Amino acid sequence: AQTVTQSQPEMSVQEAETVTLSCTYDTSESDYYLFWYKQPPSRQMILVIRQEAYKQQNATENRFSVNFQKAAKSFSLKISDSQLGDAAMYFCAYKEGGSEKLVFGKGTKLTVNP
Amino acid sequence: DTGVSQNPRHKITKRGQNVTFRCDPISEHNRLYWYRQTLGQGPEFLTYFQNEAQLEKSRLLSDRFSAERPKGSFSTLEIQRTEQGDSAMYLCASSVGQVRTGELFFGEGSRLTVL
Repeated sequence: AQTVTQSQPEMSVQEAETVTLSCTYDTSESDYYLFWYKQPPSRQMILVIRQEAYKQQNATENRFSVNFQKAAKSFSLKISDSQLGDAAMYFCAYKEGGSEKLVFGKGTKLTVNP
Repeated sequence: DTGVSQNPRHKITKRGQNVTFRCDPISEHNRLYWYRQTLGQGPEFLTYFQNEAQLEKSRLLSDRFSAERPKGSFSTLEIQRTEQGDSAMYLCASSVGQVRTGELFFGEGSRLTVL
């Protein structure tokens, strides 16, 4: 079964600084997708960024970028110029190409200090 | 508000009772998902509908759990004979499908507490 591991239960960063959240996954598939979702306190989960496994180029969305290392099965999220609104739980997730099921990690709680 | 809507937001029930949750997806979304999230964990997949057809179902979904999406619009998740282990946040999500695969739009969830 596919698994997603987030080894950092909590992280903190100073406002305007950069932080990297780690994620590793286990799969034998070649066709898959990876995601980072953000869950602010008492609010709904939203997609931050997605990466197709067949693409070598790392995805970027404004201040958010990923470091996708396919051979190492690593998918880290870098948040640049951190803002107070970035404080949330961040979940790494995996999806096989032929399935609609997302497999989530346990999450990393990010605190942004002013 | 045109987001995913879930009701009720909170439900407290006694063990052995039945509960039902409702999800109204974003209107143009044909795909609908149910996930369960317990404290300190990431969401776990329960089931997936494309229109009215239930196409994937997790082994987590025991025979006490049933989900329907009768007209391809709203969906209900029913839990029969609730147990304390069913206490969790039940999340509904919807999507437009393969164009942006994996991009789910989540509701705020329905929190179940079983006493």
